[in-house]
Amino acid sequence: AQSVAQPEDQVNVAEGNPLTVKCTYSVSGNPYLFWYVQYPNRGLQFLLKYITGDNLVKGSYGFEAEFNKSQTSFHLKKPSALVSDSALYFCAVRDHLMNYGGSQGNLIFGKGTKLSVKP
Amino acid sequence: ETGVTQTPRHLVMGMTNKKSLKCEQHLGHNAMYWYKQSAKKPLELMFVYNFKEQTENNSVPSRFSPECPNSSHLFLHLHTLQPEDSALYLCASSQAPSTSGRNEQYFGPGTRLTVT
Repeated sequence: AQSVAQPEDQVNVAEGNPLTVKCTYSVSGNPYLFWYVQYPNRGLQFLLKYITGDNLVKGSYGFEAEFNKSQTSFHLKKPSALVSDSALYFCAVRDHLMNYGGSQGNLIFGKGTKLSVKP
Repeated sequence: ETGVTQTPRHLVMGMTNKKSLKCEQHLGHNAMYWYKQSAKKPLELMFVYNFKEQTENNSVPSRFSPECPNSSHLFLHLHTLQPEDSALYLCASSQAPSTSGRNEQYFGPGTRLTVT
């Protein structure tokens, strides 16, 4: 079965410092990996995805994530955090070997990590 | 904005009421989803539609009834809900099929539902 874990409920960072939000996954085949962000009173917003190719993926708002197959991780990073980055971040995974249809074919989301960036 | 709208944004209903949530996407997608987001719980997938056909019902109680009249519109009909059904209900869309894996989903802002 596929699963995704976000080990930190909350991450606190000072503005201007680098940030990392952690994500690890478990699939039987090769993963498709996604990061979403949710601002207060809003729906989830797509940030970036890894499908294949370069392990370093760049996304919206200066975010990037690195796919590490040996560590089964897909950590979200940003070199310099902004106060406006404060939000809830979700990692999601799907195993590309899963058959079409059924619950195996859809995204599995982590429980989310709250990022707080202080001035 | 993501191109997915939801109405109403807030809804308070009694346990004996019947109400409907509406979702509309303007992205030309053919897959649509309903999710339930409760405090301190992972996002729960409820229903999936591909090309207007329901392809997944994730063990959702029958007091929730989805309807997808066309690829742009999705409804969630509610009746005789329980207080534990209070949550943020999110609609999303993507390129079909939903299970292709490569396609990111685009979410609406959600409907905050309170059942009294």
